[in-house]
Amino acid sequence: DAGVTQSPTHLIKTRGQHVTLRCSPISGHKSVSWYQQVLGQGPQFIFQYYEKEERGRGNFPDRFSARQFPNYSSELNVNALLLGDSALYLCASSLGYPEPSGANVLTFGAGSRLTVL
Amino acid sequence: AQKVTQAQTEISVVEKEDVTLDCVYETRDTTYYLFWYKQPPSGELVFLIRRNSFDEQNEISGRYSWNFQKSTSSFNFTITASQVVDSAVYFCALSPTSGTYKYIFGTGTRLKVLA
Repeated sequence: DAGVTQSPTHLIKTRGQHVTLRCSPISGHKSVSWYQQVLGQGPQFIFQYYEKEERGRGNFPDRFSARQFPNYSSELNVNALLLGDSALYLCASSLGYPEPSGANVLTFGAGSRLTVL
Repeated sequence: AQKVTQAQTEISVVEKEDVTLDCVYETRDTTYYLFWYKQPPSGELVFLIRRNSFDEQNEISGRYSWNFQKSTSSFNFTITASQVVDSAVYFCALSPTSGTYKYIFGTGTRLKVLA
């Protein structure tokens, strides 16, 4: 089975531009989460979606938005890019909200590395 | 507030040495989950282990072992007989069992295993 897939893997943008990152969860997984990982830091929670509804949002400005589609794939959008948005953006999927076991184990993709110049 | 602290930023060991990665957490929740993830240079976070706050039984899995002590809010991870392939950044994470199931990650410990 394919794991969590993210696209694009790398991209370079300039300040003020907009970016869309895409994520396909593991087949059968209905929840998708997004994390931002700045170089040298741990991932920071941005959003969680389940059944196309936002279930959680981290401490990020309104320039960040996301959505989940009927096939459970997801997009993360960032408007008016700033230099500080340069990071690895990780998508993670899990079975449910929470998982039947209650543990909500996340399976991560390899990420989209965004560089803002 | 919830917080995860990994005080060791980088550890270097020689192959076949044992190494312990430290993790200390803070939470007011009575139930929670703790995780360890490994991040190789490829960038993908790889799940290693999950622990429920009710389960303080320590575990050994191959060369990996975990020591969960609720009294000291610590969840340490040990690799026995380290190998070069163990070189990666290791993250400890905390997640509540209700509400927004977000992970709170530590800043990670970079492990370098030298041949």
